[in-house]
Amino acid sequence: AQSVTQLDSQVPVFEEAPVELRCNYSSSVSVYLFWYVQYPNQGLQLLLKYLSGSTLVKGINGFEAEFNKSQTSFHLRKPSVHISDTAEYFCAVRMRSKAAGNKLTFGGGTRVLVKP
Amino acid sequence: GAGVSQSPSNKVTEKGKDVELRCDPISGHTALYWYRQSLGQGLEFLIYFQGNSAPDKSGLPSDRFSAERTGGSVSTLTIQRTQQEDSAVYLCASSLDRGSSGNTIYFGEGSWLTVV
Repeated sequence: AQSVTQLDSQVPVFEEAPVELRCNYSSSVSVYLFWYVQYPNQGLQLLLKYLSGSTLVKGINGFEAEFNKSQTSFHLRKPSVHISDTAEYFCAVRMRSKAAGNKLTFGGGTRVLVKP
Repeated sequence: GAGVSQSPSNKVTEKGKDVELRCDPISGHTALYWYRQSLGQGLEFLIYFQGNSAPDKSGLPSDRFSAERTGGSVSTLTIQRTQQEDSAVYLCASSLDRGSSGNTIYFGEGSWLTVV
């Protein structure tokens, strides 16, 4: 089984400041890692994903995340946020082996509120 | 359409009534998922369909919940004898799932269910 922990339920941040959203996971097997964003009253949209290769992954809207295998973390960062980044962000994992199941397991989400 | 389409977008129903929620996945996507998003529970996996294989129903919370996928495309999630705790956003998602679980899962905008 796998689990995902997002350490911060809410993160207030000023416009143009940097932000980091923390994500740690636990799994007995290798996983793929994802970050999704949910804007108010909308569905989930993929920001970025880590499959293999370079541990630094760049996504849409200026976001990036770094996979750290030893710390089982996949923290999301943006160097300068905009008001439009106000949303809820979800970290998720999916087992690499399809035989072991194919669902995404999500963290509890982090609400980012960007203040002017 | 270009994305995952869900209907109705909003549904208010009386306790004890049955409801059906519909999902139209992205054309050509063989995998289809249902998730539930509620306050305090985060994003919960409900059920997963992949091609002609038996669905993974491991996330369905009770026997009041069922889902089917006709012709490998459209899916219907049925909740019988609705209870107030069923109030949530029901999210459908789909993906290409040919041999890799690293494929992106695309989400619809959800069906907001309120049981009164």
